[in-house]
Amino acid sequence: QVLLQESGPGLVKPSQTLSLTCTVSGGSISSGSYYWSWIRQPAGKGLEWIGRIFTSGGTNYNPSLKSRVTISVDTSKNQFSLKLNSVTAADTAVYYCASSNDGSGDYWGQGTLVTVSS
Amino acid sequence: DIQMTQSPSSLSASVGDGVTITCRPSQSISSSLNWYQQKPGKAPKLLIYAASSLQSGVPSRFGGGGSGTVFTLTISSLQPEDFATYYCQQTYSTPYTFGQGTKLEIK
Repeated sequence: QVLLQESGPGLVKPSQTLSLTCTVSGGSISSGSYYWSWIRQPAGKGLEWIGRIFTSGGTNYNPSLKSRVTISVDTSKNQFSLKLNSVTAADTAVYYCASSNDGSGDYWGQGTLVTVSS
Repeated sequence: DIQMTQSPSSLSASVGDGVTITCRPSQSISSSLNWYQQKPGKAPKLLIYAASSLQSGVPSRFGGGGSGTVFTLTISSLQPEDFATYYCQQTYSTPYTFGQGTKLEIK
């Protein structure tokens, strides 16, 4: 059973960088058939796909966030990470990490609330 | 980006009822569609992938159909644990967009 766990600061100041890490257990992040994603959800609203990374290093980002987002992977630690810079209050949300093989393989972390406030 | 439009946005039904939720992408996405169920404070749970394939462990009262530009999620006989919010997601092209959600409430 693959488990994902998000970690990082729950409070970030405006204009600063939001940094989150997702630790994968119960399986290898280097599994070739999976990719590793970040999704977010503002309180009371829907889901927004932020982007994904393959263990080859290839990435895809949501164009609405592309200029501010970086997703990276550290296979030695079985982790992948999200950096979102120049944050504003509009970036306040629950952030989920997830993995998928575009089929039946689909795993999500429990989510972590990040609040942008001074 | 592919826009995903779900209908209805909310739905009231009783235990034992059958319901259908519709998802319409702004362009054809073949069968590249997932359905998720989300309960308050929890991560989304995959119900259906590839438009009509039932995820392991999901009750058979859930069913998915459609292709191209119209998709449906059907729940044949609602159980108390089915009252939640449902999202469709296209995995045809990035960004992998979600519908706005359908909140299923108890009548």
